Amino acid sequence: DARVTQTPRDKVTEMGQEVTMRCQPILGHNTVFWYRQTMMQGLELLAYFRNRAPLDDSGMPKDRFSAEMPDATLATLKIQPSEPRDSAVYFCASGMGQGGTDTQYFGPGTRLTVL
Amino acid sequence: DQQVKQNSPSLSVQEGRISILNCDYTNSMFDYFLWYKKYPAEGPTFLISISSIKDKNEDGRFTVFLNKSAKHLSLHIVPSQPGDSAVYFCAATSGNQFYFGTGTSLTVIP
Repeated sequence: DARVTQTPRDKVTEMGQEVTMRCQPILGHNTVFWYRQTMMQGLELLAYFRNRAPLDDSGMPKDRFSAEMPDATLATLKIQPSEPRDSAVYFCASGMGQGGTDTQYFGPGTRLTVL
Repeated sequence: DQQVKQNSPSLSVQEGRISILNCDYTNSMFDYFLWYKKYPAEGPTFLISISSIKDKNEDGRFTVFLNKSAKHLSLHIVPSQPGDSAVYFCAATSGNQFYFGTGTSLTVIP
């Protein structure tokens, strides 16, 4: 049963600390998405990779957030320094690379709390 | 600015009745629309989709309707079952742009 995995599932940290979230996409998928879920905005797209290259990261605050794919089996989202307003659930999703019609398969999310 | 809006945060429906979840969008360039379902502590899962060249797509108990002139889509669940209780997100895409709504929490009362 192929699934997207995310670690950690929960993270509590203090303001100013660095946070790294990891995602393992489904094997064979070549697109990876990072989303942030908040009550006010719903699911916000932060970054989008295809074949490990960033296609769109316009939704991501560039001064503190960075997203990378060191290899095809790992995507990372880093926040440095973290702030209380970053508290949210962060989802990673992967897909087959069909563009707008791509069905996205979501991981279980990382719940981040910044104190 | 929210390009995809779900104006009803919650909806309660009796088991066996129809559930209708609504979604409005602002960008006429969107060409594909999807509904995702999300249970607590899990990621969203794909439910049903529709291309902008169609006005209806059906899959079992789930039907999505698209009204392009009104920039409105809806998800109908008939009959509703307690296991359908979840948060439903609508999403719209255009090329490499993906937008999700804020979700509607559906509760199906047994």
